Amino acid sequence: GNSVTQMEGPVTLSEEAFLTINCTYTATGYPSLFWYVQYPGEGLQLLLKATKADDKGSNKGFEATYRKETTSFHLEKGSVQVSDSAVYFCALSTGGGNKLTFGTGTQLKVEL
Amino acid sequence: DAGVIQSPRHEVTEMGQEVTLRCKPISGHDYLFWYRQTMMRGLELLIYFNNNVPIDDSGMPEDRFSAKMPNASFSTLKIQPSEPRDSAVYFCASTRTSGSPQYFGPGTRLTVT
Repeated sequence: GNSVTQMEGPVTLSEEAFLTINCTYTATGYPSLFWYVQYPGEGLQLLLKATKADDKGSNKGFEATYRKETTSFHLEKGSVQVSDSAVYFCALSTGGGNKLTFGTGTQLKVEL
Repeated sequence: DAGVIQSPRHEVTEMGQEVTLRCKPISGHDYLFWYRQTMMRGLELLIYFNNNVPIDDSGMPEDRFSAKMPNASFSTLKIQPSEPRDSAVYFCASTRTSGSPQYFGPGTRLTVT
């Protein structure tokens, strides 16, 4: 079956630090990969996506590259801000289907 | 667009009571999903609909849970009778086409005492 593994949090960084949140996956077929972000008290929002190997998704300074050889989709940002504090979820879907498989989420705290 | 709308935002009820959660998807979206989020189990897909028809309800935990979608703009998730272990945040999401990113509502925080 499909599964997503994320690094455990919380991750605490100082403002302007470099961010990496690791995500690896196991899937049948060729999955589409997503990062969702959840701000306190809100629902999940799509942050970025990639649908095939070597694609790079990017949005709001965040990037992630679909690495088929390492089955990974690590999230990166060069300089985090306090406003980036949230929980980040890696997810996948396969076969053009609708069932998203989520990781457990990684909480990010950015301090001044 | 107003986004996915859920009500109520918070619900506190006593064990044994019936609970109904409501969702209005984004207009024009043909798929609707119900998720449950807990600390222990993370995000779980409970059920999803396509064109108002339930497609996969394998995530519904037990017969106490039921979901309906009487029309394209409204869905309910009902728990009867409720139990303390049902306490969680319940999210509704919708999407336009198969495989497209899903748009989530703000969630309903359910507490069963």
